[in-house]
Amino acid sequence: DSGVTQTPKHLITATGQRVTLRCSPRSGDLSVYWYQQSLDQGLQFLIQYYNGEERAKGNILERFSAQQFPDLHSELNLSSLELGDSALYFCASSVALGITYEQYFGPGTRLTVT
Amino acid sequence: AQKITQTQPGMFVQEKEAVTLDCTYDTSDQSYGLFWYKQPSSGEMIFLIYQGSYDEQNATEGRYSLNFQKARKSANLVISASQLGDSAMYFCAMRLLGASGSARQLTFGSGTQLTVLP
Repeated sequence: DSGVTQTPKHLITATGQRVTLRCSPRSGDLSVYWYQQSLDQGLQFLIQYYNGEERAKGNILERFSAQQFPDLHSELNLSSLELGDSALYFCASSVALGITYEQYFGPGTRLTVT
Repeated sequence: AQKITQTQPGMFVQEKEAVTLDCTYDTSDQSYGLFWYKQPSSGEMIFLIYQGSYDEQNATEGRYSLNFQKARKSANLVISASQLGDSAMYFCAMRLLGASGSARQLTFGSGTQLTVLP
């Protein structure tokens, strides 16, 4: 158990809908990362927050947004869902920003868009 | 942009034997970190080992060791005394130190599916 929690574990929804994925980082970790894992794209970095502020953006679509709240939990919002958004979404956390700080991954949320 | 290549989609190893999973990387930066993660069938990503580009010694963590050859830009994972529980997908990843923004994030390879045979 990495200490990072993600809810829900599974999510099935229809195209055009909007969903929110939630992540609670490990106790004491200030940095939260979101990743998408799909069969065709592999594991891709989406976005990073550090202590409530956005720090880096990767291959995140405009239909997707995220935020980190004062209690450090984070939410990833996916809207106008398409079939291609079906994937495993991971949240990871690390204590700080440095390169040597390994990221601990949550169990993931498996999103299926039908 | 940095790139990670894992050329072995699948590998088989006999229980109790050692196995090497290949990883090569491409970057013009001098400061970077290399990571290996394990993803069992249950889906979670488990951190295994880290190697910094300036580290002179190869990293080791229990049965895991990283064979770091900087000139060849390779960072192979060696698992000694394989166990059935080692069957999983293994990902090599890299982060750049000096860059900012998204370039500092983990870039993953396509993974190697390891199957340990009894």
